[in-house]
Amino acid sequence: KQEVTQIPAALSVPEGENLVLNCSFTDSAIYNLQWFRQDPGKGLTSLLLIQSSQREQTSGRLNASLDKSSGRSTLYIAASQPGDSATYLCARGGSEKLVFGKGTKLTVNP
Amino acid sequence: NAGVTQTPKFQVLKTGQSMTLQCAQDMNHEYMSWYRQDPGMGLRLIHYSVGAGITDQGEVPNGYNVSRSTTEDFPLRLLSAAPSQTSVYFCASRGPTGGNTGELFFGEGSRLTVL
Repeated sequence: KQEVTQIPAALSVPEGENLVLNCSFTDSAIYNLQWFRQDPGKGLTSLLLIQSSQREQTSGRLNASLDKSSGRSTLYIAASQPGDSATYLCARGGSEKLVFGKGTKLTVNP
Repeated sequence: NAGVTQTPKFQVLKTGQSMTLQCAQDMNHEYMSWYRQDPGMGLRLIHYSVGAGITDQGEVPNGYNVSRSTTEDFPLRLLSAAPSQTSVYFCASRGPTGGNTGELFFGEGSRLTVL
């Protein structure tokens, strides 16, 4: 069974800190790796999509990397802000289905 | 651009009742899917469709039925609701370009409680 693991489950940091969220997956034969943000009571918002042929993607203060050989992806958030507080989920894309991790709940304290 | 629209946002059912969760997208996406999200379980795929007239089962399909008569709509039917189906349901769609490698877009969710 394909597994996606996100560690830690929760993270609390002071405002301004740079941080890294981790995502690991068991099957390296992936199509893509997608990072999402979910605010309480809301749907998932796509942040970054990394195709299997790519190593990283950047959007503003966010940078996501993909290492298929080690089965890992990281989401780097620079200069964190209280508005970044949310749950971040990664999803491994296969042939027809995405497998989600359970997420990392991030709290950025002012 | 509305994206992915789900209705209703909230619903309370009694055990044994049936209902349909509606999902519509206006992005001409071929791929559509339904997930349920439960505390501690994460997001789990219920059913998905790769185009009109084509559906397939996901990880947790029992108790749910789907059909895809148009590209825009992908309703999820609960045939006889059970308390175990209390959850938040999300519909998602993916673009036609790039096939399996497209970005997944989610609706806002439908919160269902079965008493």
